Amino acid sequence: DAKTTQPPSMDCAEGRAANLPCNHSTISGNEYVYWYRQIHSQGPQYIIHGLKNNETNEMASLIITEDRKSSTLILPHATLRDTAVYYCIVKETSGSRLTFGEGTQLTVNP
Amino acid sequence: DTGVSQNPRHKITKRGQNVTFRCDPISEHNRLYWYRQTLGQGPEFLTYFQNEAQLEKSRLLSDRFSAERPKGSFSTLEIQRTEQGDSAMYLCASTTLGKQETQYFGPGTRLLVL
Repeated sequence: DAKTTQPPSMDCAEGRAANLPCNHSTISGNEYVYWYRQIHSQGPQYIIHGLKNNETNEMASLIITEDRKSSTLILPHATLRDTAVYYCIVKETSGSRLTFGEGTQLTVNP
Repeated sequence: DTGVSQNPRHKITKRGQNVTFRCDPISEHNRLYWYRQTLGQGPEFLTYFQNEAQLEKSRLLSDRFSAERPKGSFSTLEIQRTEQGDSAMYLCASTTLGKQETQYFGPGTRLLVL
């Protein structure tokens, strides 16, 4: 699976959009981009995934660049409960394991 | 609540003791994964099952570790002769075999070896 690079930490004001970047320059054509988050002492929570088109669900939006070498997770109106470590993961469609990096610690401030 | 449950949620044991953790996946999911997470790190893959067959094991899974999924439903992870380095969060995830396999995680079992 391709390697991903994320900033170690980010801050966001409550109510504002949080934009979390991820670089995956070695991504291959059959690899999806997945986002998970982990609130302290809990199991990782699935957020969203995509292949090449932008995706949106009730939690977030995923913007993937046309060359697929980077993506951005957008939380449109961040709340204090969105404070967590966010992991960007690249995985083959039928691959087995998820390979987690160190993620981005997002802190939402009041 | 993702529908994946793990028991116990916390376990404290003394070095040298054996421990066993249980994972109950989402009922229709035929793939089940185990991961381990140490403090400040992301989860690391240990092993996974498709139905009752254990298809892949990480090099992290030493001889002291064994995992089973006897009837293709729940799974157990046993650690024999625990060491202080085994202290970690043990996470279970499940998914359905298909084109887009989204893994859903349980709450984890936190192990402390004294």
